[in-house]
Amino acid sequence: DAGVIQSPRHEVTEMGQEVTLRCKPISGHDYLFWYRQTMMRGLELLIYFNNNVPIDDSGMPEDRFSAKMPNASFSTLKIQPSEPRDSAVYFCASSPPTGGETQYFGPGTRLLVL
Amino acid sequence: AQTVTQSQPEMSVQEAETVTLSCTYDTSESDYYLFWYKQPPSRQMILVIRQEAYKQQNATENRFSVNFQKAAKSFSLKISDSQLGDAAMYFCAYGRGAQKLVFGQGTRLTINP
Repeated sequence: DAGVIQSPRHEVTEMGQEVTLRCKPISGHDYLFWYRQTMMRGLELLIYFNNNVPIDDSGMPEDRFSAKMPNASFSTLKIQPSEPRDSAVYFCASSPPTGGETQYFGPGTRLLVL
Repeated sequence: AQTVTQSQPEMSVQEAETVTLSCTYDTSESDYYLFWYKQPPSRQMILVIRQEAYKQQNATENRFSVNFQKAAKSFSLKISDSQLGDAAMYFCAYGRGAQKLVFGQGTRLTINP
C-alpha cells in the first residue's frame, strides 16, 4: 500500500508568489491533516478534514493560507502571497475512520520563500 | 489545553546499549493516546509506537518499549540494543480521538559507534 504522497518535495519561491502544496492520503483514510514544522514553533496543526469537510482550521496562521479537499484522494494547501516567514516543512497526514487516532505522515514539502 | 514536554533536547548512547527518552504531558482527559514518532534526517515522520491510555500494559514493538505512568502523566521510550539507524529526532505526541496531535519539542538521539 502506498503511503501518504506529497508534492512537490521541495519548493523554492520568491516572496509574493503563490505556492500550492499537494497531498494524496492513504486510500480508505477519511481524516486528513496539514502540519507545519519550524525550528521556532515545532510541529503545529494548521487544519484538518473529515470526509473532505474542514473540521478545525484554527491553526491556519492568516488569510494568506487556504486549504481544500475536493475529493477523498486529494487535498491542497495554498499560500498566497508567500512570505519568507512561511519557510518551513509542511506535512500532510491521514488516519483511518476506525478510531482515527494514529496519523500516518507523508514525506513533507520543504518550502523556502526568498 | 494539552501540552507535551520533552525535557531532553539531546541524548547520546553507545551502539548496542539501552537509552530512555523522557516525555511528560498534561491533560484533564482520561481517554487518549500517546505516540512516539521518529524523524530521521530525511524528515519523514515515522510512527515508532503507540499507547492507549485505557490499557495498563506497556506497549512494545521489537526493541522499542514504553513506560506509561498514567497518574504521573509520564510516557518514556526505551530503545534496547541501539543501532546506528536509530539516530534521529524523536517526538512524543498526544492525541485524543480523530483530532490533532500535540507534539513535544523533540529529542535528538545520537548513536556512538
